[in-house]
Amino acid sequence: DAKTTQPPSMDCAEGRAANLPCNHSTISGNEYVYWYRQIHSQGPQYIIHGLKNNETNEMASLIITEDRKSSTLILPHATLRDTAVYYCIVRVAGFGNEKLTFGTGTRLTIIP
Amino acid sequence: DGGITQSPKYLFRKEGQNVTLSCEQNLNHDAMYWYRQDPGQGLRLIYYSQIVNDFQKGDIAEGYSVSREKKESFPLTVTSAQKNPTAFYLCASMGYVGAFFGQGTRLTVV
Repeated sequence: DAKTTQPPSMDCAEGRAANLPCNHSTISGNEYVYWYRQIHSQGPQYIIHGLKNNETNEMASLIITEDRKSSTLILPHATLRDTAVYYCIVRVAGFGNEKLTFGTGTRLTIIP
Repeated sequence: DGGITQSPKYLFRKEGQNVTLSCEQNLNHDAMYWYRQDPGQGLRLIYYSQIVNDFQKGDIAEGYSVSREKKESFPLTVTSAQKNPTAFYLCASMGYVGAFFGQGTRLTVV
């Protein structure tokens, strides 16, 4: 699996959009970008994933650059409950003999 | 409801004892994973299994053992050889959409 790089921490004011970047410059053509978040002392929760087109769901939007070497997770109106560690990973969707690894993520703090 | 269950949530053991953490899923997923998380750190892969009766070492397998006798179950044993076993342990299973995680077991060795 390709590796990802994320900033260790970010702050965002409550009610503003939180934009979390991720670099994945060695991503392969068949690898998807996945985002998860982990609230303190809980298991990570799936947020969104995409291949090359921008994606949106009820939780967030995912913007992937045209060359697919980086992406941004957008939380449009951040609330205090969005304070968490956010992980960006890349993997081939579907099934295969994959070693699924997570990096250290970005610790997002929402400021009241 | 479909999901992945880890038990117990908190576990205390004396130093030198082996302890087994349970992980069960009813999502019909083939792939399952065990991770360790230390305070303020990310997730580190211990073992993973893609199919019944087969598993592979992750990045920090020393001092741990697993089995995969059933598709639904992937227990992790923390052996006395693990030098720093106190940690938060997470189990996950993998479907087409992505990984589903349990709520974790916090192991404290005294």
